Amino acid sequence: EIVLTQSPPTLSLSPGERATLSCRASQSVSNFLAWYQQKPGQAPRLLIYDASNRATGVPARFSGSGSGTDFTLTISSLEPEDVAIYYCQQRSNWPPLTFGGGTKVEIK
Amino acid sequence: QVQLVESGGGVVQPGRSLRLSCAASGFTFSSYGMHWVRQAPGKGLEWVAIVSYDGRTKYYAESVKGRFTISRDNSKNTLYLEMNSLSAEDTAVYYCANTLSEYFQHWGQGTLVTVSS
Repeated sequence: EIVLTQSPPTLSLSPGERATLSCRASQSVSNFLAWYQQKPGQAPRLLIYDASNRATGVPARFSGSGSGTDFTLTISSLEPEDVAIYYCQQRSNWPPLTFGGGTKVEIK
Repeated sequence: QVQLVESGGGVVQPGRSLRLSCAASGFTFSSYGMHWVRQAPGKGLEWVAIVSYDGRTKYYAESVKGRFTISRDNSKNTLYLEMNSLSAEDTAVYYCANTLSEYFQHWGQGTLVTVSS
């Protein structure tokens, strides 16, 4: 089973700042990695798939990068509505499909 | 637009069974594989099961294998999850989602299953 480790657990930033979230895989997943956003009380939402492709309707301030074992989700300029928990997920070697433990993004 | 609406959650005693449903609309249900994903209170996301577009191929997480059964009825645009031998560890919000190359493209709002005596 591929284990995904996300860091940091919590990120506290001011509006307009750049947010950098990390996801590390226990073995190579090529580019088969997605990012999801889960706002409080809501279902998750697909943001990025295949490491760097934005899903339909996702604002351009969200971008993904990386390959192999190290991946990054960047929010170029943090908005108050970006407060959420962000999860990464791999589809390289499954079953099982696995998620990281999440990074909580807060506004200072 | 795509809509996925889960139902069937509730409070159930340990060892009992429950069946969840997910009603789909706004897309060609019979063309997509479908997943169940769960989230224990205050915890992260856990993939539970997937069924192929035609219902023939199914995979499960080890934690539910042999106890849960995923199925679908394409004539009713509905996905199911039959859950048997439930324990407290199965307490979670259960989401259905359609698959986009084994990513979770669209999600329902979830249904809460609480296993408690």
